[in-house]
Amino acid sequence: EIVLTQSPATLSLSPGERATLSCRASQSVSSYLAWYQHKPGQAPRLLIYDASNRATGIPARFSGSGSGTDFTLTISSLEPEDFAVYYCQQRSSWPPFTFGPGTKVDIK
Amino acid sequence: EVQLVESGGGLVQPGGSLRLSCAASGFTFSSYWMSWVRQAPGKELEWVANIKEDGTEKYYVDSVKGRFTISRDNAKNSLYLQMNSLRAEDTAVYYCATGYCNDDNCYAGIFDYWGQGTLVTVSS
Repeated sequence: EIVLTQSPATLSLSPGERATLSCRASQSVSSYLAWYQHKPGQAPRLLIYDASNRATGIPARFSGSGSGTDFTLTISSLEPEDFAVYYCQQRSSWPPFTFGPGTKVDIK
Repeated sequence: EVQLVESGGGLVQPGGSLRLSCAASGFTFSSYWMSWVRQAPGKELEWVANIKEDGTEKYYVDSVKGRFTISRDNAKNSLYLQMNSLRAEDTAVYYCATGYCNDDNCYAGIFDYWGQGTLVTVSS
């Protein structure tokens, strides 16, 4: 099973600042990595798939990069609605699909 | 508009059973892989099971194999999860989620649309 780790666990930033979130895989997942945003009481939302492809309707301030074992989600300028938990997830080797433990982006 | 509405959650005793349902609308249900993903209190998301578009392939996380069964009814645009021999560690919000389709292909492991979830609590 591929294990994903995310850092930092919590990121405290102000609106307008840049957020950089990391995800590392225990073995190569090629580019088969996705990012999701999750707010309390809401459905998770697909942001990025296959490392760098924005999902339909996702604003351009969200971007993804990386391949192999190291990946980054960047939010170029935080909007108030971006404060949430972000999960990475791999589909390279399954079952099972696996998620990382999440990074919480909260308001400083 | 894509809608996924889960139902069937509730409080059940250890060893008991529940059947979750997910009603889908706004897309061609029979063209998509479908999954169940859960989130235990304070924990990360965990993929539970998925099923191919035509129901011919099903996969499970090891912790639920032999206890949970995923199924679908494409005529009713519905996904199901039969959960037997429930344990305290199965307590979670259960989400149904679609795979992802573009013009060229459909993919099981990208979770494009999600429901709001249904809470399952296993406790005596």
